[in-house]
Amino acid sequence: DAGVTQSPTHLIKTRGQQVTLRCSPKSGHDTVSWYQQALGQGPQFIFQYYEEEERQRGNFPDRFSGHQFPNYSSELNVNALLLGDSALYLCASSLAAGNNQPQHFGDGTRLSIL
Amino acid sequence: AQSVTQLGSHVSVSEGALVLLRCNYSSSVPPYLFWYVQYPNQGLQLLLKYTSAATLVKGINGFEAEFKKSETSFHLTKPSAHMSDAAEYFCAVRSSGSARQLTFGSGTQLTVLP
Repeated sequence: DAGVTQSPTHLIKTRGQQVTLRCSPKSGHDTVSWYQQALGQGPQFIFQYYEEEERQRGNFPDRFSGHQFPNYSSELNVNALLLGDSALYLCASSLAAGNNQPQHFGDGTRLSIL
Repeated sequence: AQSVTQLGSHVSVSEGALVLLRCNYSSSVPPYLFWYVQYPNQGLQLLLKYTSAATLVKGINGFEAEFKKSETSFHLTKPSAHMSDAAEYFCAVRSSGSARQLTFGSGTQLTVLP
């Protein structure tokens, strides 16, 4: 049973560039959430996708956008990269149905901005 | 809005000693609480969750946590630390909104001394 998989594992970009990160949810899950984890901090919620739509968004600018595909996989796009966007980006999947479903996390994509 | 506070960014214990990691929450509704562990260069792994069924929750790897409403706490304990327990631990509370996103504490780095 494959868990949450993310690609790539590492990425180096320069300021002003754009980046796309990818996530495949755990088998059977239909909801994908994205989190940003800066060095030495806890993860912060970026947004969540369900039924191919953004269901809720955290306190992140519009430079951060996403997409969910019919097979429930998801992409996170960041435009006009800033040095402060350097972080570990975590994808988490869950089941929308049921109140007690925990989120399962992937190993993340480490994004470094030069 | 829900929030969590983890007291002590770094905790050191000797191998075989009691592990106690502290978490206090703030929530206007009955909370759903979680503890996650993060090993270096990895994502988050769920240790245990509180969903109001029982105040003492047992998790994986010998960890357990007790929900105390009067103290708004959800401290994580393990009777005997093992070297393999060295990692970063995050307490999280789930929102009551539709996305049920997680709000994390800032984490506690656990060091286990031989």
